[in-house]
Formats: sequence, C-alpha cells, structure tokens
Amino acid sequence: AQKITQTQPGMFVQEKEAVTLDCTYDTSDQSYGLFWYKQPSSGEMIFLIYQGSYDEQNATEGRYSLNFQKARKSANLVISASQLGDSAMYFCAMRESNYGGSQGNLIFGKGTKLSVKP
Amino acid sequence: GAGVSQTPSNKVTEKGKYVELRCDPISGHTALYWYRQSLGQGPEFLIYFQGTGAADDSGLPNDRFFAVRPEGSVSTLKIQRTERGDSAVYLCASSRFDSPYNEQFFGPGTRLTVL
Repeated sequence: AQKITQTQPGMFVQEKEAVTLDCTYDTSDQSYGLFWYKQPSSGEMIFLIYQGSYDEQNATEGRYSLNFQKARKSANLVISASQLGDSAMYFCAMRESNYGGSQGNLIFGKGTKLSVKP
Repeated sequence: GAGVSQTPSNKVTEKGKYVELRCDPISGHTALYWYRQSLGQGPEFLIYFQGTGAADDSGLPNDRFFAVRPEGSVSTLKIQRTERGDSAVYLCASSRFDSPYNEQFFGPGTRLTVL
C-alpha cells in the first residue's frame, strides 16, 4: 500500500489565484513529520514547509500553508497568490518515527505537476 | 553558503560497467541520504548515513549497490555491473541534527544513463 498518495497528476491555476494540492498519508506511527518539496524543471528539490504530527496549528511559510487534518490523514498544500515561478512538480513526503531531533529517510508521493497560467 | 553538490551531473555508461557517483553535503551536516528518482516518480530512498556509518541501508535494491562515507563528509554511491534499469536521477541530501525540522537539503542530482 502506498504511504503517500497524491491523486492529482497535474493541476492548472490562474496567476494570482490560490491552489490546493492534495496529499494523503498512511502510517501507524503516532509521531511523524510531513514535508512538501518543490522540484522545478532544473531538478533540484526545494523544501517548502513542514508539519509535525503533534503540531496543533497548521504550518505556514509565506504564501505556503499546510491544511493538516490528522483524523483524515491528509496534509494538503495551499499556495496563495500563485506566481508564474510556482510552475513545478510538488512532492509530499513523510518521515515516520519523528521523535524530537530524529532523522530518517523520507517517503515521497508521485508528485503533482502545477502549471500557472498568465 | 554552499549547498549540496553532486558530481558528475550526467553519466552515460554501458551495461555491465562500474560507476561511482559523488556527493558533497553541506558543511556541518551529519546526516546524508541517497535517493533514486525514476522518470515520473518521486524520489525513492536508498541509504542514510549518520556520520561515517550507514544508519539504514534498507532501500538499496541489491548487492550491486554500495555506498561509503569514510570521513563523515563526502559520500560515494557505487554501482557494479550496471543494468539498464539503473538509469535514473540519483539525488543526495543532507541535514543537520539540531535543525527544528531536520529538513533535508537536496543536491542537483546525477543523471545516470545505462545503454
């Protein structure tokens, strides 16, 4: 079974509009971390935002916010005021056993290709 | 400061050959990760180093794949007897132990093509 599911292979959004990219996850751990990365056509993965499983408030970083619904096991990324430079692949990822200071591998979804139209 | 660097950026080899891919992490980052990304997929975990030792190598697909990090900094991913199915982008990432999120910083990748 997939641990990270991104059901939208591609999304279009008009410049300056908001867009939501979906992500659901599957884990039996109580402590875990959720990440979103952006991968432009250049190929480099860029960290955007993080949500810990025990965080009570949704994470925000500038124009990025994470809509975390723990009971539904979803961690959707919301990008407000889309810009042309937001066009890229977006990956949702999870790190299980996310105890304080822990490090471990990320499990990635298949990604969503976002295209911003002028 | 300097980010994660990987060399070469592109590598073309013939089936059956041996290849080495190098990763230079961000200075001071104790953890180093290797991932493999096939076309149209997300990165898949291969191996994770904490310092010089491999903390988790459960993602290595078979014994043709091996990685080292002898001095706790630069790492080399080694692939023996390459197969066409090994063609992918190999990504390296590093992270600090004491950062709030332990987010991983990725390099630009090495695109490996096995003919």
